[in-house]
Amino acid sequence: DAKTTQPNSMESNEEEPVHLPCNHSTISGTDYIHWYRQLPSQGPEYVIHGLTSNVNNRMASLAIAEDRKSSTLILHRATLRDAAVYYCILGYGGSQGNLIFGKGTKLSVKP
Amino acid sequence: NAGVTQTPKFRVLKTGQSMTLLCAQDMNHEYMYWYRQDPGMGLRLIHYSVGEGTTAKGEVPDGYNVSRLKKQNFLLGLESAAPSQTSVYFCASCTNPNEQFFGPGTRLTVL
Repeated sequence: DAKTTQPNSMESNEEEPVHLPCNHSTISGTDYIHWYRQLPSQGPEYVIHGLTSNVNNRMASLAIAEDRKSSTLILHRATLRDAAVYYCILGYGGSQGNLIFGKGTKLSVKP
Repeated sequence: NAGVTQTPKFRVLKTGQSMTLLCAQDMNHEYMYWYRQDPGMGLRLIHYSVGEGTTAKGEVPDGYNVSRLKKQNFLLGLESAAPSQTSVYFCASCTNPNEQFFGPGTRLTVL
């Protein structure tokens, strides 16, 4: 399975945009890029996913590099509630959902 | 609509004891998953099911068994608990494997 590399931690100020990077240089053509987040003492929560094109939803935006070797999760205005561990995960679109979680990026949001 | 629920929330076992964790979902999802999360780590897939009556092994299946007799329930069994199985267990379900919904977790301690 293709692996991802994320910074261990990042800090942001409340109400400012946050860009969370993810490198996946060994991504295959059929791998989707998924982002989940996990708030303290809770189960993971789906954020967004994409294949080739940039994606937007009510929670975030996903910017995918043209060569697909990296991607960035964008939170447009960070709130205190966005403080969580963010996981970037690759998964084969035709698979049965076997997500492989790494250690993720711990995002801290300062008021 | 309760989403994904897990029973129990906490449990302490002695080495060698057995127990069953119950995951229930009321969203009519076909896919269900069991993960474990050790301190400071990402989640690892134990077993999963793509439909009623079917199960498959994930990344770390040893020491666990599962059953999916009803579409809405996915049971995880530990026949003879070991201290290495001390962890937080998360269940997830979905219709689209790219968007999994997670339960709140079961914290298990094996002494």
